[in-house]
Amino acid sequence: ETGVTQTPRHLVMGMTNKKSLKCEQHLGHNAMYWYKQSAKKPLELMFVYNFKEQTENNSVPSRFSPECPNSSHLFLHLHTLQPEDSALYLCASSQGEGTSTDTQYFGPGTRLTVL
Amino acid sequence: SQQGEEDPQALSIQEGENATMNCSYKTSINNLQWYRQNSGRGLVHLILIRSNEREKHSGRLRVTLDTSKKSSSLLITASRAADTASYFCATDGGGTDKLIFGTGTRLQVFP
Repeated sequence: ETGVTQTPRHLVMGMTNKKSLKCEQHLGHNAMYWYKQSAKKPLELMFVYNFKEQTENNSVPSRFSPECPNSSHLFLHLHTLQPEDSALYLCASSQGEGTSTDTQYFGPGTRLTVL
Repeated sequence: SQQGEEDPQALSIQEGENATMNCSYKTSINNLQWYRQNSGRGLVHLILIRSNEREKHSGRLRVTLDTSKKSSSLLITASRAADTASYFCATDGGGTDKLIFGTGTRLQVFP
């Protein structure tokens, strides 16, 4: 285990549903990340938070809404998703400020299916 | 924008053989990282190499970096079935200080 947990591990939702993904890190890190991993595509960075402040929004559609109440918890709120949003959503954390020199620790991911 | 691109996309070898994966990138970098991902799981950090370094070792892993060719290689020696996974390189550069991941090399090691 990497010290980063994600719930749920699997989620099936309709396009009109609202759901939330949760990530928790037990490593005392400052930065947290959301990534989207689709088949045959590079890992896509979605959001970065450093000390609870959002430092990166990689042109993510507004149907994805992140929330970082503290340095240990990160949520991704989902609403009115599209079938093409089906993917593995990975959370990560790092000790530094969320830059490229950080070593990132990943959670196991949430496999999301949008019907 | 995609910065790192791994080659080959897939690699199958027998246990005990060496596995070599390559990563090419487009713009100058400060550092390059390699990660491993077991099927359907999160990524695990393997090694970081800085732009002023040419080679790093970690156990059975050897990473080289050639900044003149904008490429890196990951060598796994004496492979084991447990090395079966996808391997990703990640770099900065291209106008961002964030890590950008490639599409990965899928390694299959047969017992």
